Amino acid sequence: QLMLTQSPSASASLGASVRLTCTLSSGHRYNAIAWHQQQPGKGPRYLMKLNSDGTHTKGDGIPDRFSGSSSGAERYLSISSLQSDDEADYYCQTWGSGSYVVFGGGTKLTVL
Amino acid sequence: VQLVQSGAEVKKPGESLKISCKGSGYLFSIYWIAWVRQMPGKGLEWMGVIYPADSDARYSPSFQGQVTISADKSTNTASLQWSSLKASDTAMYYCARFGSHGSIDYFDYWGQGTLVTVSS
Repeated sequence: QLMLTQSPSASASLGASVRLTCTLSSGHRYNAIAWHQQQPGKGPRYLMKLNSDGTHTKGDGIPDRFSGSSSGAERYLSISSLQSDDEADYYCQTWGSGSYVVFGGGTKLTVL
Repeated sequence: VQLVQSGAEVKKPGESLKISCKGSGYLFSIYWIAWVRQMPGKGLEWMGVIYPADSDARYSPSFQGQVTISADKSTNTASLQWSSLKASDTAMYYCARFGSHGSIDYFDYWGQGTLVTVSS
């Protein structure tokens, strides 16, 4: 079954870097995913589509501080030079012929 | 590209409701649209999808039979409706567009959300 696993929380200091992880379930290591950001009180925003080879396509206006990478079944979202408004929930999302749409549980990022 | 959703609703249990999502800035009919629920303090849940060109709708097993998704390509509008609301339907509802025309893949644009409150 196609599933995505995310750690519930992460934290990093202002100005530092952080890497968030999204793990695909067994048998789906070649799936592409998308990362979405949801700031407090706002709707989700598309950040990027991330392929299994690490190539990614970012959404309109997404700064270079956001990047993606892949290793095996893991998909990463890296954020450098953390700012206060990076404090948000981050969701990964994928798709499959039987499952259509799958979301990870989300990671709440706290900027210290 | 913009997806603009209808405004917040307050309803009583048992009432019906239809909320909408109007697309602009792209060829609406050839991109799948999804509806996503977010209950208070919780994550994102996919409810169903629709292809406006032919109104082909597919539902998450969790929502099959609970809601109806429709689309009107003449007005570039997708809709989500309930025939009999429950208190547990209280949530924020988002529409979202899939990024590749004709495909169900990744969401690249989201609506601003419609808050539905069901309370007696």
